[in-house]
Amino acid sequence: RKEVEQDPGPFNVPEGATVAFNCTYSNSASQSFFWYRQDCRKEPKLLMSVYSSGNEDGRFTAQLNRASQYISLLIRDSKLSDSATYLCVVSLSGGSYIPTFGRGTSLIVHP
Amino acid sequence: EAQVTQNPRYLITVTGKKLTVTCSQNMNHEYMSWYRQDPGLGLRQIYYSMNVEVTDKGDVPEGYKVSRKEKRNFPLILESPSPNQTSLYFCASSSYDRGRDQETQYFGPGTRLLVL
Repeated sequence: RKEVEQDPGPFNVPEGATVAFNCTYSNSASQSFFWYRQDCRKEPKLLMSVYSSGNEDGRFTAQLNRASQYISLLIRDSKLSDSATYLCVVSLSGGSYIPTFGRGTSLIVHP
Repeated sequence: EAQVTQNPRYLITVTGKKLTVTCSQNMNHEYMSWYRQDPGLGLRQIYYSMNVEVTDKGDVPEGYKVSRKEKRNFPLILESPSPNQTSLYFCASSSYDRGRDQETQYFGPGTRLLVL
């Protein structure tokens, strides 16, 4: 079983749509969770950390469900510029320095 | 400007010819790491370093070496490259927020390597 699993997609949505991605992780001792965004042929960039209480940043909302061992990313009012691959990242704890990356979920937002 | 730089950005080489990919960060981060990214496999960690002279293997260290003689630099060395090391390589450095017990990674722009 993969440590961090994501649906590769692609998710193909129209502008203005709401889209949600899930990511499951296998190690219940995991403590730190992140969503990164990666544009084609570019480096991953941190989109947002995921906190136990859930957190929101503009159109983006991240949630953590420890009991079911998954994290989610919700994007509201999708823009064309949201088209990218979204990587789920999990690590055992802050300072563990051994993060595990999911393979990414591809999002395509069309006009 | 805070950044992670890698050189070269693109490299075509032949099997067995030693090469080094440099990585440098200007954020005074203690932690640095190297990843390779392959289609369908995602990002896999090759080596990481928690501080000067402290390095350790990641998930896929075979065929690679690293060194950390200075805090800002973390070169990746392929002593005898093989075609299966053709990949996209990313260097990253991390800041650690002790208050939140979380680290944030900053990635370099990537190095595309083709080994013939």
